[in-house]
Amino acid sequence: EVQLLESGGGLVQPGGSLRLSCAASGFTFSSHAMNWVRQAPGKGLEWVSSISGSGAFTYYADSVKGRFSISRDNSKTTLYVQMNSLRAEDTAVYYCARGPTVTWDYWGQGTLVTVSS
Amino acid sequence: QSALTQPASVSGSPGQSITISCTGSSSDVGGYNYVSWYQQHPGKAPKLMIYDVSNRPSGVSNRFSGSKSGNTASLTISGLQAEDEADYYCTSYTSTSTRVFGGGTKLTVL
Repeated sequence: EVQLLESGGGLVQPGGSLRLSCAASGFTFSSHAMNWVRQAPGKGLEWVSSISGSGAFTYYADSVKGRFSISRDNSKTTLYVQMNSLRAEDTAVYYCARGPTVTWDYWGQGTLVTVSS
Repeated sequence: QSALTQPASVSGSPGQSITISCTGSSSDVGGYNYVSWYQQHPGKAPKLMIYDVSNRPSGVSNRFSGSKSGNTASLTISGLQAEDEADYYCTSYTSTSTRVFGGGTKLTVL
């Protein structure tokens, strides 16, 4: 059974940093591109970042480029996003999702990040 | 990276059909057959309903169908059921290798 389990969310001050993790199981992790998608409270979905199966290729939304860094450890079957210079507008539930382009067939349950002083 | 345009809300009665549109540009929806639709119930993670414009994942009801014409993609739900009441989002691959979502459409089953 495919499972994606996010962790690392919490309360952080503006300008602070946080690293989210997404532990994957039930499939050959290195064979699949992975993604982060977020949803601010009461708002719609927003694509954040994607990474190829090998980790060689990464892509970012303009809203996070230069502040967020996506990575993966295929030996640990874990996806990460390092979030720096956090702003209030980064407050959201962050989901990890499996799949290429926009075909994301499995999603985690999400982890809440709150940026506030 | 402008968001794709979806109607904020649509509604229909049980048994009826509804269509949700998703309008982009030649740089996203019109330029690629990488358009997906997601269903999201309150407090839940999104669920893939349609991928590559018109393909249904295994397990998704055939009441859900997708299509595209020019820069506009559409999701049609036939034989509306109460359980279809949810938010629906389209998303597309773009010419800059990024991805973009629509603003979401709230479907109400009357």
